[in-house]
Amino acid sequence: EPEVTQTPSHQVTQMGQEVILRCVPISNHLYFYWYRQILGQKVEFLVSFYNNEISEKSEIFDDQFSVERPDGSNFTLKIRSTKLEDSAMYFCASSDPGGLTSGPTDTQYFGPGTRLTVL
Amino acid sequence: LAKTTQPISMDSYEGQEVNITCSHNNIATNDYITWYQQFPSQGPRFIIQGYKTKVTNEVASLFIPADRKSSTLSLPRVSLSDTAVYYCLVLTGANNLFFGTGTRLTVIP
Repeated sequence: EPEVTQTPSHQVTQMGQEVILRCVPISNHLYFYWYRQILGQKVEFLVSFYNNEISEKSEIFDDQFSVERPDGSNFTLKIRSTKLEDSAMYFCASSDPGGLTSGPTDTQYFGPGTRLTVL
Repeated sequence: LAKTTQPISMDSYEGQEVNITCSHNNIATNDYITWYQQFPSQGPRFIIQGYKTKVTNEVASLFIPADRKSSTLSLPRVSLSDTAVYYCLVLTGANNLFFGTGTRLTVIP
C-alpha cells in the first residue's frame, strides 16, 4: 500500500536555527498538508498546498514558516528561525479528492511524523 | 465547522466490543462523519466514514441515527493493539482536518 514518508524522524536544533522537514507524499496525490502536534496536545492544522501554491493556512503558519514542492516528489516545510515553542511532532499528509483513494470527502493519508526538538 | 464532543477516555478489556459515541448537534446537510485513529508517536489514520445509517469495513462499524446529531464508532473484539486515540470529525468535501482532543482508548489485558 502506498504511504507518505517523512525525513528525518527526529531533528534536534538550536533556537534560532533554520530547519527543513521533508515529506514524500503518495505519488498520485494532488493536495498536501502539514500538521503539528505539541506533546500531549491535539493535532493542529498548519497549511494546505495545491497546484504549487498555498490553499489555506492557519494562524500558526506565520512568516517563519514556508512550504515548497521543489520537485515532483518532495514537499518541504521550512522554519526559518526556530523557537522553543516550535518543538512538536510535524506530520505531513496528502490526499486525492475525487480520486481512487478518496471517498466523498478528502481522506488524508498521514506520514509517520518528524519529531522536532528545539533547544 | 460542526463541533464534536466525545468522551476523553475509555477503558476496555481485550475481546470486548467498544462503542465510542460522538455528538455533533450542528452537523450540516452536506457533512460526512469521519473517524481517525492515532497510535502513540504516529500520524492519524483514517478508519471509517459515513453519512447515515450504518457503514462497516474491515476495521470498524459506524452507526448514525436518522437525525445525524450523533454517531457511534464500534470496534468489535478489541485487542491490545487497538489502544489509541480515536477522533471524530465532521467534514464537507475537501477540508483541512481540525482535530479535537479525541477519545483515548486503553485496552486492558
